[in-house]
Amino acid sequence: KNQVEQSPQSLIILEGKNCTLQCNYTVSPFSNLRWYKQDTGRGPVSLTIMTFSENTKSNGRYTATLDADTKQSSLHITASQLSDSASYICVVSTYNAGNMLTFGGGTRLMVKP
Amino acid sequence: EAQVTQNPRYLITVTGKKLTVTCSQNMNHEYMSWYRQDPGLGLRQIYYSMNVEVTDKGDVPEGYKVSRKEKRNFPLILESPSPNQTSLYFCASRRDYPTGELFFGEGSRLTVL
Repeated sequence: KNQVEQSPQSLIILEGKNCTLQCNYTVSPFSNLRWYKQDTGRGPVSLTIMTFSENTKSNGRYTATLDADTKQSSLHITASQLSDSASYICVVSTYNAGNMLTFGGGTRLMVKP
Repeated sequence: EAQVTQNPRYLITVTGKKLTVTCSQNMNHEYMSWYRQDPGLGLRQIYYSMNVEVTDKGDVPEGYKVSRKEKRNFPLILESPSPNQTSLYFCASRRDYPTGELFFGEGSRLTVL
């Protein structure tokens, strides 16, 4: 069964600090992995997409990494800001027709002043 | 502006009273889908549609119906709502398969008494 596990479930950090969120998956065959940011009560918004051949992708202060061999991805947030407080969701796609997306449970990040 | 629009955003109803949550996208996307989000369970797919007149069940389709008569619209129908359908619902669409970014609506918070 395709699964995406994220850790930690929740995290509290101080403004200006860095943090790393983890995503482990067992989805096969793998197509791509996206990280989404979801502000409370809003729809998720895509931060990065990574395909099999990519191992690092940056979007401003967000840097995603992918290790396709170990089936792990991480999202590193640099110099956190209060606006980074949100849930971060890892979503893995397959090439199979039909239900092609597997969602992780998300990591809830709180950045405190 | 490219967007996915859901209505209503908030709704309180009673058990058994049929309701429809509308979803419309202006990006000419072929793929549309519905999700529910519950605390501790993450996003779960209810139904999806690969194109007009093509719909299929996701992970939690029981108690829901959908239709895709036009490319831009994908309504979610609850024929006889029950309290366990109290949830936050998201509609999403995307263009490219399988790498396309999911664009989410703002969500519809439904309470069934």
